[in-house]
Amino acid sequence: EAQVTQNPRYLITVTGKKLTVTCSQNMNHEYMSWYRQDPGLGLRQIYYSMNVEVTDKGDVPEGYKVSRKEKRNFPLILESPSPNQTSLYFCASSPSGSPSGNTIYFGEGSWLTVV
Amino acid sequence: AQSVSQHNHHVILSEAASLELGCNYSYGGTVNLFWYVQYPGQHLQLLLKYFSGDPLVKGIKGFEAEFIKSKFSFNLRKPSVQWSDTAEYFCAVPYSGAGSYQLTFGKGTKLSVIP
Repeated sequence: EAQVTQNPRYLITVTGKKLTVTCSQNMNHEYMSWYRQDPGLGLRQIYYSMNVEVTDKGDVPEGYKVSRKEKRNFPLILESPSPNQTSLYFCASSPSGSPSGNTIYFGEGSWLTVV
Repeated sequence: AQSVSQHNHHVILSEAASLELGCNYSYGGTVNLFWYVQYPGQHLQLLLKYFSGDPLVKGIKGFEAEFIKSKFSFNLRKPSVQWSDTAEYFCAVPYSGAGSYQLTFGKGTKLSVIP
């Protein structure tokens, strides 16, 4: 089954404790990205990757890091989480980075709470 | 940069009422348009998409949307809503510029359908 898998789905952590949210897709997609969803703000893109070893900032990259060492994986790293990073995070993938004719597939989301 | 505006933050309807959710975008280039739906506690699912051709597109569950280029709009419609349509709806526009590919979302419209 084609899917985007995120882990963990739910996490409560403390300020400053490094954490990683993993994302894996089994569709051989080139493009992957991370979004955060906050009430009243919709979804905002954090980082995206056009292909292996190619990453770029989205609209709200501060406080986050990513890496793309393999095509299927795109982990989101919070080096020193802060309470304002409490949010619902979505990983997404798409066949390619071209906006023409591509649909983006989303993971089920990761609820992160930083206390 | 592109922007997406959704006019209604929260819409409340009775079952069998007709629905129209507004979406306007600012991007003037080649336009692909999406509507995603997020049911309570679930991840984003593609509802429908417009890439080219017939400006009236039909999606899943009886939803349709009309692309009106002159108005920069892509409004979502359904003739008769059901309680199960209670969800949050997001309009999205991909943007390609300077080698990047971002997907910009509107802030979402919550739909509550009263039985």
